[in-house]
Amino acid sequence: ETGVTQTPRHLVMGMTNKKSLKCEQHLGHNAMYWYKQSAKKPLELMFVYSLEERVENNSVPSRFSPECPNSSHLFLHLHTLQPEDSALYLCASSQDRAGGLYGYTFGSGTRLTVV
Amino acid sequence: QKEVEQDPGPLSVPEGAIVSLNCTYSNSAFQYFMWYRQYSRKGPELLMYTYSSGNKEDGRFTAQVDKSSKYISLFIRDSQPSDSATYLCAMQDTGNQFYFGTGTSLTVIP
Repeated sequence: ETGVTQTPRHLVMGMTNKKSLKCEQHLGHNAMYWYKQSAKKPLELMFVYSLEERVENNSVPSRFSPECPNSSHLFLHLHTLQPEDSALYLCASSQDRAGGLYGYTFGSGTRLTVV
Repeated sequence: QKEVEQDPGPLSVPEGAIVSLNCTYSNSAFQYFMWYRQYSRKGPELLMYTYSSGNKEDGRFTAQVDKSSKYISLFIRDSQPSDSATYLCAMQDTGNQFYFGTGTSLTVIP
């Protein structure tokens, strides 16, 4: 298992549900990220946290709400999602916002299906 | 125009073949170049990291960067079935922004 753990691995939710994705990193990194991965598309950066402070929000719809209570944990709260939000949601961490010499460490992702 | 272009494949080769995976880019500000490998039902893992033109070798893997042509490659020698995965190129600009390719799906047939 990598140093970044994501739960749940799979999630099926209705369009009116509220759910949360959790990410935990055990690497002592200072930056954490949420990415969306859809088939045949590049990874889409959603949110960036550096030292627990949100530093970037790439015009993500408000139905996605991130939370970073400390440098080891990151959440993505979901509500009123649309079917097109079905994708693999990846959490990543890095030594700092610059990425460092080792790029990102990714978790295994949460496969989200919105029905 | 996309920042990073990568042929999605799929690519299928026999075991032992040499594999060449490629990406092109348009942004001259890209300064760091990476290759990630993503197995099915897993997140991407960093395979190679380079920051200058030329070749970098790590075992059976060689990363090649040609900044003048804005072209990067990953070569896999003596490919193995365990190399079957999706390979993502990634680039980082001077503002620490990362840009990923769409990934190339590779299958190595025993």
